[in-house]
Amino acid sequence: DAGVTQSPTHLIKTRGQQVTLRCSPISGHKSVSWYQQVLGQGPQFIFQYYEKEERGRGNFPDRFSARQFPNYSSELNVNALLLGDSALYLCASSMVDVSVSGANVLTFGAGSRLTVL
Amino acid sequence: AQKITQTQPGMFVQEKEAVTLDCTYDTSDPSYGLFWYKQPSSGEMIFLIYQGSYDQQNATEGRYSLNFQKARKSANLVISASQLGDSAMYFCAMREVSGSARQLTFGSGTQLTVLP
Repeated sequence: DAGVTQSPTHLIKTRGQQVTLRCSPISGHKSVSWYQQVLGQGPQFIFQYYEKEERGRGNFPDRFSARQFPNYSSELNVNALLLGDSALYLCASSMVDVSVSGANVLTFGAGSRLTVL
Repeated sequence: AQKITQTQPGMFVQEKEAVTLDCTYDTSDPSYGLFWYKQPSSGEMIFLIYQGSYDQQNATEGRYSLNFQKARKSANLVISASQLGDSAMYFCAMREVSGSARQLTFGSGTQLTVLP
């Protein structure tokens, strides 16, 4: 079975541009979460979606937005890119809403590495 | 305040030896889950082990065990019989169950290097 797949794997943008990152969850998983991992740090929560509804949002500016599609895939959009947006963007999926159980394990993809010049 | 603290930026261990990676956490939520993930240079976060705050026994998964000391708010990962493939970044994470919190909060990680 395919794991969580993310695209593109690497991309380079310039300041002020916009970027869209894509994520396909594991088959049967209905929840998708997005995390930003800046070099040398642990991942930070951006968004969580379940059944196409936003269920959680981290402390990120409105330049960051996301959505989940009927097939449970998801897109993360970042507008007006800043140098500080350079990071590895990780998508994770789980079968149920993450708040259902503290034991709910997230399965992560390999990430999209964004470089902003 | 840091919710998850990993005080060891880097650790070295000899192949076939055991190693302990430290993690302390801070929460006032009586119900929470603690996770350890491994991140190789490829970038993918790989789930290793889970411990619930109400679990009486320490969690074990193969060569991984979690030394859970609730009163001290620590959740150290023990890797037995280290292998070269264990060289990676290791992250401790917590999810608080109460309220609307839905995210995993990660520590800053420990880079483990296994020496031949």
